[in-house]
Amino acid sequence: SAVISQKPSRDICQRGTSLTIQCQVDSQVTMMFWYRQQPGQSLTLIATANQGSEATYESGFVIDKFPISRPNLTFSTLTVSNMSPEDSSIYLCSATQGSGTEAFFGQGTRLTVV
Amino acid sequence: AQTVTQSQPEMSVQEAETVTLSCTYDTSESNYYLFWYKQPPSRQMILVIRQEAYKQQNATENRFSVNFQKAAKSFSLKISDSQLGDTAMYFCAFMRYNAGNMLTFGGGTRLMVKP
Repeated sequence: SAVISQKPSRDICQRGTSLTIQCQVDSQVTMMFWYRQQPGQSLTLIATANQGSEATYESGFVIDKFPISRPNLTFSTLTVSNMSPEDSSIYLCSATQGSGTEAFFGQGTRLTVV
Repeated sequence: AQTVTQSQPEMSVQEAETVTLSCTYDTSESNYYLFWYKQPPSRQMILVIRQEAYKQQNATENRFSVNFQKAAKSFSLKISDSQLGDTAMYFCAFMRYNAGNMLTFGGGTRLMVKP
């Protein structure tokens, strides 16, 4: 199993600024992901964080808006850039240890942009 | 692309009774994985149960069991002896086989267990 620590747990930010969310896993994992969840709604995949290379983004998400780093097997960051109120959401980090295995999740970051 | 549909946005059940949450999915693949995740108000996503598509036997985990109908592309979750702690959002999710481990989620079902 894996335990994921995600921080900050919540933040209120001014529009036009950027926020970096950190995700730390307590064991080595093969894949790491970032999801967005509007309160009370489902999760949408933003991107797969690839170790040592550029992240793979899903349709509708771009690197300039959501730059992602993954410098090693246990750590990743997601930056939400030039924020607007539409970016207000919950952002969740996830990781898996093998094909078809359980995905573990952080507790999410609730972001409010004012 | 895969899609996952949960047709029940909200459900309620009396404590100790049984409830079934529905999930259907659309895929052209024959091998894949299906999951049910629970998200209580704490926001922590918790795995409830996992099913491998190539296994005909339905998965069970204590009070939780699934009815996996591959031909019908249906994957319902049955919760027996419902407890107050089962109150949460439940998400059905699809994972392709050997294709990156990312999950496609359904829209979720909000389950309320009433005392």
